[in-house]
Amino acid sequence: EIVLTQSPGTLSLSPGETATLSCRASQTISGSTYLAWYQQRPGQAPRLLIYGASSRATAIPDRFSGSGSGTDFTLTISRLEPEDFAVYYCQQYGRLPLTFGPGTNVEIK
Amino acid sequence: DVQLVESGGRLVQPGGSLRLSCAASGFTFSSSAMSWVRQAPGKGLEWVSSIFSSGAATDYADSVKGRFTISRDNPKNTLYLQMSSLRGEDTAVYFCAKSPRNSLTGSVHWNFDLWGRGTLVTVSS
Repeated sequence: EIVLTQSPGTLSLSPGETATLSCRASQTISGSTYLAWYQQRPGQAPRLLIYGASSRATAIPDRFSGSGSGTDFTLTISRLEPEDFAVYYCQQYGRLPLTFGPGTNVEIK
Repeated sequence: DVQLVESGGRLVQPGGSLRLSCAASGFTFSSSAMSWVRQAPGKGLEWVSSIFSSGAATDYADSVKGRFTISRDNPKNTLYLQMSSLRGEDTAVYFCAKSPRNSLTGSVHWNFDLWGRGTLVTVSS
């Protein structure tokens, strides 16, 4: 099983700042970039932000960007808007079982 | 509207059974691979099970293998999760989710581009 580790656990930032979130896999993800990022606001379902490590999903603003390959991946959120304060999860889909990271909580400072 | 709507969650005793449903609309359900993902209260996301569009192939997390069964009725645009021998650790919100297909190769990419709002299953005496 591929274990995903996300850091930091909590990120305290102000609107307008840039958030940098990390996701590290315990082994190389098959296909190298089979990594997705999701946003989950309180009481809501997750929403796909990024797939293939760096491709934005439909209707996702360009202030969200993803990068990385192999075992190390990054989600960058530029110019934080109030609605961006949420929990973010990474997920690998290169190998079964599908696994998620524990999440990074981006909170208002 | 493109949407997934789960139902069937309720309070059930340990050892009991339950069937969840997920009604799909607004997209071609019969061509879509589908999954169940759960989230225990205050915790992260956990993949539970997936099924290919035809229903011919399925897979399960070790934590539910042998107790849960995923199935689908394509003419009814509905996904199911039959849960038995339920345990306290199965308490969670259960989401159904759709996976996209690579437009060039036709292969399924097992990320989740559409989610339902979830249904709460509580296992307690």
